[in-house]
Amino acid sequence: AQSVSQHNHHVILSEAASLELGCNYSYGGTVNLFWYVQYPGQHLQLLLKYFSGDPLVKGIKGFEAEFIKSKFSFNLRKPSVQWSDTAEYFCAVSGAGSYQLTFGKGTKLSVIP
Amino acid sequence: DAGVIQSPRHEVTEMGQEVTLRCKPISGHDYLFWYRQTMMRGLELLIYFNNNVPIDDSGMPEDRFSAKMPNASFSTLKIQPSEPRDSAVYFCASGRQEPYNEQFFGPGTRLTVL
Repeated sequence: AQSVSQHNHHVILSEAASLELGCNYSYGGTVNLFWYVQYPGQHLQLLLKYFSGDPLVKGIKGFEAEFIKSKFSFNLRKPSVQWSDTAEYFCAVSGAGSYQLTFGKGTKLSVIP
Repeated sequence: DAGVIQSPRHEVTEMGQEVTLRCKPISGHDYLFWYRQTMMRGLELLIYFNNNVPIDDSGMPEDRFSAKMPNASFSTLKIQPSEPRDSAVYFCASGRQEPYNEQFFGPGTRLTVL
C-alpha cells in the first residue's frame, strides 16, 4: 500500500524566510506527485504536480518542488514566504494510471509578519 | 465554471439521526471522490466513482456509510445512523481522465454529530 510522510507538523517562519517542506512517499512503481494547499476555512487547491519529465516542477504563487526518485522525496520550496502563505500544505501520491490519491497528514505553515 | 458544489456547508445533528451530504461535480468530469478530513487521521479517501459507477469503496468506514451517484451531475454520501465519531469535514472532489490526473475539491461540509 502506498503511503506519504510529511515530517513537519507545524512550521513557523518570518516573512521573507525561505521554506522547504519535506515529503517522502512509499510506493512500488511509477508515481504521480502533488502538493495541495488549504488556506484557513477554504478547500484544497492544487499548487503543483509532477507526472514525468523535468524533476523540478514550478507551481503557482512562486512554489516549486523537486522529485528525487532515489530518495522517494518530493519536497516543496519557496525562496521567500509571505504572510498570505499561511495555510496547511498536503503532499499526495498516486500510482501512474491510478486515480486514487493518498495524502500525507499535512504541514501547517504559519508566517509571522 | 462554478467548481465543485457541496451542500450543506455545515450540518449539526444528533446521534442516531440520518445525515445526507450532497455534491455536484464540475461538468464534464467523469471521476468523483468523497474524502473525510479529521485532525487525527488527516484526509482519507472514502469512495470514488467513474462514470457514475463506484470503483473503490474500501475506505468507507462502516455499513452506516453509503454513497450513490445516480447521474453525472449529482452524488450523495449518507450516514445512517450517525455517531459523534463521524464528526469531520467531508470533501467531494471531481476530475477528468488522463492526462490531467488532477482532482478539484469542493468547499467541504463540516459535520458535527452531538
